Amino acid sequence: KAGVTQTPRYLIKTRGQQVTLSCSPISGHRSVSWYQQTPGQGLQFLFEYFSETQRNKGNFPGRFSGRQFSNSRSEMNVSTLELGDSALYLCASSLGSRDGYTFGSGTRLTVV
Amino acid sequence: QKEVEQDPGPLSVPEGAIVSLNCTYSNSAFQYFMWYRQYSRKGPELLMYTYSSGNKEDGRFTAQVDKSSKYISLFIRDSQPSDSATYLCAMYGGATNKLIFGTGTLLAVQP
Repeated sequence: KAGVTQTPRYLIKTRGQQVTLSCSPISGHRSVSWYQQTPGQGLQFLFEYFSETQRNKGNFPGRFSGRQFSNSRSEMNVSTLELGDSALYLCASSLGSRDGYTFGSGTRLTVV
Repeated sequence: QKEVEQDPGPLSVPEGAIVSLNCTYSNSAFQYFMWYRQYSRKGPELLMYTYSSGNKEDGRFTAQVDKSSKYISLFIRDSQPSDSATYLCAMYGGATNKLIFGTGTLLAVQP
């Protein structure tokens, strides 16, 4: 059974650019959540999508956005990148709101 | 004050020891509690998932939830060097599905 797949694994961008990260959830999972992980702040919730609708949003600026497609695949976009956006971005999928979350290996974004 | 507090460690134990990892939380609406293990440069891996108070055992791992004290624990018996990783507690409940994580405890099991 395939796990949660995130692409790309590594990314280097310069300040001011934008970036799009992709997440393919486990087959049948309709909930997809995104997290930012940094050494200083730990894992912080970005947003959650369920059946193409954003259900929850964390305390991140509007530069961070996402969407979910009809096949449950999700993308996250960060515009006008800042040095502080360098982090491991993790995607997690779940069958529903009362099930455990399975994480992908993440996309490590470095902003220079 | 953070919603979930976790001692960051590091915690170093000899092989075969019993490890106790703990988290406290402040939001009484939390009902679903999880423990994740994260190896370096990998995503978190779900170890244990419990609902409300009580104990749950899976092999060498036991998860305990005490909602009255807002305290959760993970016990690892007969610890192995391969258990060396960061352990994260996580929880959610109430009106939101936001999974809130502790900062993680770095565990090193010495052979």
